[in-house]
Amino acid sequence: DAGITQSPRHKVTETGTPVTLRCHQTENHRYMYWYRQDPGHGLRLIHYSYGVKDTDKGEVSDGYSVSRSKTEDFLLTLESATSSQTSVYFCAISESGSGGFRWQFFGPGTRLTVL
Amino acid sequence: GESVGLHLPTLSVQEGDNSIINCAYSNSASDYFIWYKQESGKGPQFIIDIRSNMDKRQGQRVTVLLNKTVKHLSLQIAATQPGDSAVYFCVEMFPAGNQFYFGTGTSLTVIP
Repeated sequence: DAGITQSPRHKVTETGTPVTLRCHQTENHRYMYWYRQDPGHGLRLIHYSYGVKDTDKGEVSDGYSVSRSKTEDFLLTLESATSSQTSVYFCAISESGSGGFRWQFFGPGTRLTVL
Repeated sequence: GESVGLHLPTLSVQEGDNSIINCAYSNSASDYFIWYKQESGKGPQFIIDIRSNMDKRQGQRVTVLLNKTVKHLSLQIAATQPGDSAVYFCVEMFPAGNQFYFGTGTSLTVIP
């Protein structure tokens, strides 16, 4: 596996509490991504980063924020968790490919339950 | 946004047979496609990719076919093994984009 880890791997929290998930890479890749995976929806992009302090929204960004202060770390924050954010969260990394074409290495995932 | 769909949500094959997993995409301008394999409890794993200027690409025991006329993608797995049992995702990337769109996945079960 590529050098990508996620923490925590499992978390149970209550509605209204803030939650931060961490993605850490040792590959020095430029791009980092956060996805959520729910039954019947495949993986959906939440936010991505194309460099330190450079981030952009994905298709399901409402209720989430991200930060990237170092190349190796990409944080996903739920400011006030809701039950609809119960999901499995995957981080992914990729390097700039030729012509912009690139595929991603995925982390092991974080299972988040919001009660 | 655009979505990638799959013809069949589940597929069962006999060990040793060839498997074909199909995918329909809706954005004719998509220029890059990827197949991922996801085993239970793990993150997706890259299998093979193809650019829109190609119609076929082969890897180890896998072949991806791209038909841009009908916006169809397929993944062929030769001599399917029990270790191939997983969910397979077709992913498209839009032109000059940083975003990838996953289909809902096809669950492949290999019968020993």
